[in-house]
Amino acid sequence: AAGVIQSPRHLIKEKRETATLKCYPIPRHDTVYWYQQGPGQDPQFLISFYEKMQSDKGSIPDRFSAQQFSDYHSELNMSSLELGDSALYFCASSLVLAGGPYEQYFGPGTRLTVT
Amino acid sequence: GNSVTQMEGPVTLSEEAFLTINCTYTATGYPSLFWYVQYPGEGLQLLLKATKADDKGSNKGFEATYRKETTSFHLEKGSVQVSDSAVYFCALRGAPIQGAQKLVFGQGTRLTINP
Repeated sequence: AAGVIQSPRHLIKEKRETATLKCYPIPRHDTVYWYQQGPGQDPQFLISFYEKMQSDKGSIPDRFSAQQFSDYHSELNMSSLELGDSALYFCASSLVLAGGPYEQYFGPGTRLTVT
Repeated sequence: GNSVTQMEGPVTLSEEAFLTINCTYTATGYPSLFWYVQYPGEGLQLLLKATKADDKGSNKGFEATYRKETTSFHLEKGSVQVSDSAVYFCALRGAPIQGAQKLVFGQGTRLTINP
């Protein structure tokens, strides 16, 4: 079965640079979530999109923005990167319509290292 | 707000030992409860879930029962294997009427099984 795809898997950036993370949800899933997992930490919710509209917002810095496109893929844009942004970024997708919400399926994550 | 408190680790056991990882939660209404597992260098995989009180989720020999009276969702396995070594996260998703479907995670418990 198709899974959530994230790209790139690894990314190294310098301070003050920008980064774009991409997420391709499971086909027919209508909701995408972004989570940030710092070293040794639990995943923290950043933002979610349902049917291309922002549905919820968590502890996402103002330097970050995200959107969901017409093909349901999502991108997380991160600017003015700081050392503290180094983390594993997960995307998850789920189906909310048709009797949902159903469980969230996670991608393998993008490991961002800021130097 | 919703929160999850998880047994602190790390936990080290011998193969074939009995495992319990405690998880308690705070939430309004009737949340759904999940256990996710994260193997080294990988993403989060759904291990099991329960969506209403007294439900028992089970998978790969792991079990957890949704206890509303004690607000708990403890993970158990009767005989662990070396391959069970991973980090385990208890998570909560608010009731659908609350709108937001984000997952709230516990701190994670690192489990190591020695042969």
